[in-house]
Amino acid sequence: QSALTQPPSVSGSPGQSVTISCIGTSSDVGHYNRVCWYRQPPGTAPKLIIFEVNNRPSGVPDRFSGSKSGNTAYLTISGLQTDDEADYYCASYAGDINFVVFGGGTRVTVL
Amino acid sequence: QVQLEQSGAEVKKPGASVKVSCKASGYRFANYDINWVRQATGQGLEWMGWMDPNRGKTGYGQMFQGRLTLTTNASISTAYMELNSLRSEDTAVYYCVRGLRFLIGGDDAFHVWGQGTVVTISS
Repeated sequence: QSALTQPPSVSGSPGQSVTISCIGTSSDVGHYNRVCWYRQPPGTAPKLIIFEVNNRPSGVPDRFSGSKSGNTAYLTISGLQTDDEADYYCASYAGDINFVVFGGGTRVTVL
Repeated sequence: QVQLEQSGAEVKKPGASVKVSCKASGYRFANYDINWVRQATGQGLEWMGWMDPNRGKTGYGQMFQGRLTLTTNASISTAYMELNSLRSEDTAVYYCVRGLRFLIGGDDAFHVWGQGTVVTISS
């Protein structure tokens, strides 16, 4: 069982927006502004798309955005494209002992 | 370009040890953390531990305390992950990952990923 809770799947049509939630606790998501999101297409290594809640590394399109409210973080994908189909994982810093905890992943399907 | 090249697939028996290497290129090795993350087939990601090659500092996940050893050889820009007392539940793809930020010890943003090493535990 993962430390952070994500929905197993979300879906949307091309051009639509989808939002993935990531529920943590006051010891991780709620305590630190250090939430990351990773995108993993089938058979490939994950890729960092959001860090520190709402920052994008160079080269990540602004269709991907992050936010946080209390113990829950969110990833929104706008203008959904067929190659956005992938698994998306949230992660949060959780202090010096646990360091990083992950969510169980959300499969995004483009209808 | 920045790359992490991992060693090849391993098959081990229960109780044995495995050592996976991760060779960095395209940047100064000492300037960024190396983390290790694993993923069992069809499962999610699990953080294992991190190392700051600049200061030699390490951190290990509680689930791996006593079984996991992370080391580096800076002269050849290579990081190593050794896991002991292997059991069937350790069957997974193991990734080394470089941190995002320059000279941040304990960087939790995992930016550059190796291609993964499949480790299979089977009697």
